[in-house]
Amino acid sequence: QQPVQSPQAVILREGEDAVINCSSSKALYSVHWYRQKHGEAPVFLMILLKGGEQKGHEKISASFNEKKQQSSLYLTASQLSYSGTYFCGTPPVGFGNEKLTFGTGTRLTIIP
Amino acid sequence: GAVVSQHPSWVICKSGTSVKIECRSLDFQATTMFWYRQFPKQSLMLMATSNEGSKATYEQGVEKDKFLINHASLTLSTLTVTSAHPEDSSFYICSARGNSGPSYEQYFGPGTRLTVT
Repeated sequence: QQPVQSPQAVILREGEDAVINCSSSKALYSVHWYRQKHGEAPVFLMILLKGGEQKGHEKISASFNEKKQQSSLYLTASQLSYSGTYFCGTPPVGFGNEKLTFGTGTRLTIIP
Repeated sequence: GAVVSQHPSWVICKSGTSVKIECRSLDFQATTMFWYRQFPKQSLMLMATSNEGSKATYEQGVEKDKFLINHASLTLSTLTVTSAHPEDSSFYICSARGNSGPSYEQYFGPGTRLTVT
């Protein structure tokens, strides 16, 4: 079953913060985050492999709550380039190198 | 970083014809490649897992006789849409993962937009 992301869409002004949530009805073993711009392929952001793990790169970070079967992506001081649709992806079993089931997606629009 | 290419970038074909899409890993060997389909404003839906040297594994509801997958080498997987119909029009994306090292990342190709008229 597909992970559910919230919100479905959000519009922010440049410099504002955003949080995107990914919730699964099944146990999560790892969570992948990708960003896709219109008409392009998804671009990898990060992988969280263990419950309780938090990771970040520049102004984008993520957390993984294994018990709650959810992950959150945090975008701080958003830039225009952050616009796009964000997807979480989860493998069915095992580690993060198996096939992925992608979440419902969150469309983020950053305006000047 | 690892690069995955797809060819063609877009294709328009007539209903009833077959279309082949290639997915290549350019600077690494990929024992496993994945094929996804994405309709406008929707998420990526996994169609099948392509394994080098063996038969592909199809997801539930995907017709294996319609979507033929061949993974002939460690750098090439092909998806052939046979007897295409307008409802097959979609964005097809492949991804690949390496066969060594600790990387769990999937590398996506740029996608192929198929339009069936």
